Amino acid sequence: AQSVTQPDIHITVSEGASLELRCNYSYGATPYLFWYVQSPGQGLQLLLKYFSGDTLVQGIKGFEAEFKRSQSSFNLRKPSVHWSDAAEYFCAVLNTNAGKSTFGDGTTLTVKP
Amino acid sequence: NAGVTQTPKFQVLKTGQSMTLQCAQDMNHNSMYWYRQDPGMGLRLIYYSASEGTTDKGEVPNGYNVSRLNKREFSLRLESAAPSQTSVYFCASSVQIYEQYFGPGTRLTVT
Repeated sequence: AQSVTQPDIHITVSEGASLELRCNYSYGATPYLFWYVQSPGQGLQLLLKYFSGDTLVQGIKGFEAEFKRSQSSFNLRKPSVHWSDAAEYFCAVLNTNAGKSTFGDGTTLTVKP
Repeated sequence: NAGVTQTPKFQVLKTGQSMTLQCAQDMNHNSMYWYRQDPGMGLRLIYYSASEGTTDKGEVPNGYNVSRLNKREFSLRLESAAPSQTSVYFCASSVQIYEQYFGPGTRLTVT
C-alpha cells in the first residue's frame, strides 16, 4: 500500500529565508506526486505536481519541488518565504490504478517577521 | 465557474441525529471524493466515486454512506452521528488520475 511521510510537523522560518519541506513516499510504481497548501479555514489548493519528465517542477507562488527516485522523496522548496506563505502543506501520492490519493499528515509553516 | 461547493459550512448535531452533507462540482469531473480532516492526522478518505454510478470505500467508511446522485453531485450521509465524527469534511473532484480540486469544507460538531 502507498504511504506518505512528512517528517516535520511544524516548521518556523523568518520572512525572506529559504524553505524546504520534506516528503517521503512509498509506492510500488512510478509515482504521481502532489503538493497542496491549505490556508486557515480553507480547502486545499494545488501548488505543483509531478507525473514524469523533468524531476524539478515549478509551481505557483514561487514554489518548486524536486523528485528524487533514489531517495523516494519529493521535497518542496522556496528561495525566499513571504509572510503570506504561512499555512499547512500537504504532500500526496496518487494510486493511478485505484484513482485515489494518499496524503501525508501535513507540515504547518509559521513565518516570523 | 464555482468549482467545488459544499453545504452547509457549519453544523452542530446531537449524538444520534442524522444529516447529509452536500457537494457539487461544475468542472465536469468524473471522480469525486469525501475526506475528513482531524488535527495531526492529515486527510483521510471516507468514500470516493471514480465515475457516475460507482462508489467505493476509502480508509474510514464506517458510520457513513454516500450517493453519487449524478455527475455533478456527491453527498455524504451520517445516519446516526457520534462525537467521534466531529471533524472538518472536505469534498474534492478530479479528472480521473489528475490533481484534485477541493471545496471549502464543512465543520461538523457532534455533541
